[in-house]
Amino acid sequence: QSALTQPASVSGSPGQSITISCTGTSSDVGGYNYVSWYQQHPGKAPKLMIYDVSNRPSGVSNRFSGSKSGNTASLTISGLQAEDEADYYCSSYTSSSTLKVFGGGTKLTVL
Amino acid sequence: EVQLVQSGAEVKKPGESLRISCKGSGYSFTSYWISWVRQMPGKGLEWMGRIDPSDSYTNYSPSFQGHVTISADKSISTAYLQWSSLKASDTAMYYCARRRGYMDVWGKGTTVTVSS
Repeated sequence: QSALTQPASVSGSPGQSITISCTGTSSDVGGYNYVSWYQQHPGKAPKLMIYDVSNRPSGVSNRFSGSKSGNTASLTISGLQAEDEADYYCSSYTSSSTLKVFGGGTKLTVL
Repeated sequence: EVQLVQSGAEVKKPGESLRISCKGSGYSFTSYWISWVRQMPGKGLEWMGRIDPSDSYTNYSPSFQGHVTISADKSISTAYLQWSSLKASDTAMYYCARRRGYMDVWGKGTTVTVSS
């Protein structure tokens, strides 16, 4: 069982917006602004999409945005495109001895 | 171009030792920590640990402490992940990634298969 909880799957049609949640505790997501999100296409390495809750690395589309409320972080993808179909993982710093935790991953299907 | 180049796929038997590598280029290798992340077949990402290449200081996830060793040779800008005695359950894809917090650059991964 992963330390951070994500929905197993979400789906949306092209052009729509979807949100993926990532729920932790006050020891990780809720306590620090160190949440990051990664996109992973099948057979590929993960790619950083959002860091420190809401910051986008250079080169990442502005259709991707991040936010946090309490112990839950969220990744929103607007204007869904077929190329967005992938697995998405959240990650957070944690004050426990584990130091860094991932969510279990969410499979995004673009209908 | 900033990149991390990982060593090739490995097929080993249980009980054998193994060291895989991750070579950084296009940036100052000693300025950024390197993390290792495991992905078992069909499963999610698991953070294993990280190393500061400037002084080889390491942190490990308790789940992996004692089972693997992370090291680095800053003279050749390379980080390593090693096992002294592999188990079938070590079969997975292993990624290295740059940075202490969020991981901004990832290697393509090294597949490790452990089978008798």
